Amino acid sequence: DGGITQSPKYLFRKEGQNVTLSCEQNLNHDAMYWYRQDPGQGLRLIYYSQIVNDFQKGDIAEGYSVSREKKESFPLTVTSAQKNPTAFYLCASSIMGGPEQYFGPGTRLTVT
Amino acid sequence: GENVEQHPSTLSVQEGDSAVIKCTYSDSASNYFPWYKQELGKRPQLIIDIRSNVGEKKDQRIAVTLNKTAKHFSLHITETQPEDSAVYFCAASIGGAGNMLTFGGGTRLMVKP
Repeated sequence: DGGITQSPKYLFRKEGQNVTLSCEQNLNHDAMYWYRQDPGQGLRLIYYSQIVNDFQKGDIAEGYSVSREKKESFPLTVTSAQKNPTAFYLCASSIMGGPEQYFGPGTRLTVT
Repeated sequence: GENVEQHPSTLSVQEGDSAVIKCTYSDSASNYFPWYKQELGKRPQLIIDIRSNVGEKKDQRIAVTLNKTAKHFSLHITETQPEDSAVYFCAASIGGAGNMLTFGGGTRLMVKP
């Protein structure tokens, strides 16, 4: 179970506020990913990073931003520009060149 | 880009019966196909995966088959138990830089005791 942690588990924000979700891993994985999951739906890729100080947009990057200043950390900021931010956010990591991705426990964000 | 379709969206079986979930993919370059199990409110857990150089892989009651020509792969669960009840996701990846996974929409499996 351990290795990838996300905090907090539940997060509540008012509309118009930016919010940052934490993702940390101690697996020495090079690549990290952020996914969004809506009720009854699959996972959609927001951003991914293969190495420190580099990241790429996924399928639904609009309204989100990330940073990768350390190998262990890949925080996701949900900005006020994201029109429908309420969702379950999952972080994942993998070794470079290895396709297996391992997920963190997720953060459920509710914006009202 | 890659597109993964998953069927059925819900599946109800009696305990002890078999369950089969099917996925199709669009990109013939895809070479890695994992299956994840997600219990309510929990993280997806990798349960089995298959690479394009094999046609079938088995792990106890779970098996995955791959048909590269038809571009589809399936998850087979035999002797289902109530604890198998969850949402199952298939995914496909072309590997390489980024190792991006494209996920299917998920199948909610309900095993009735």
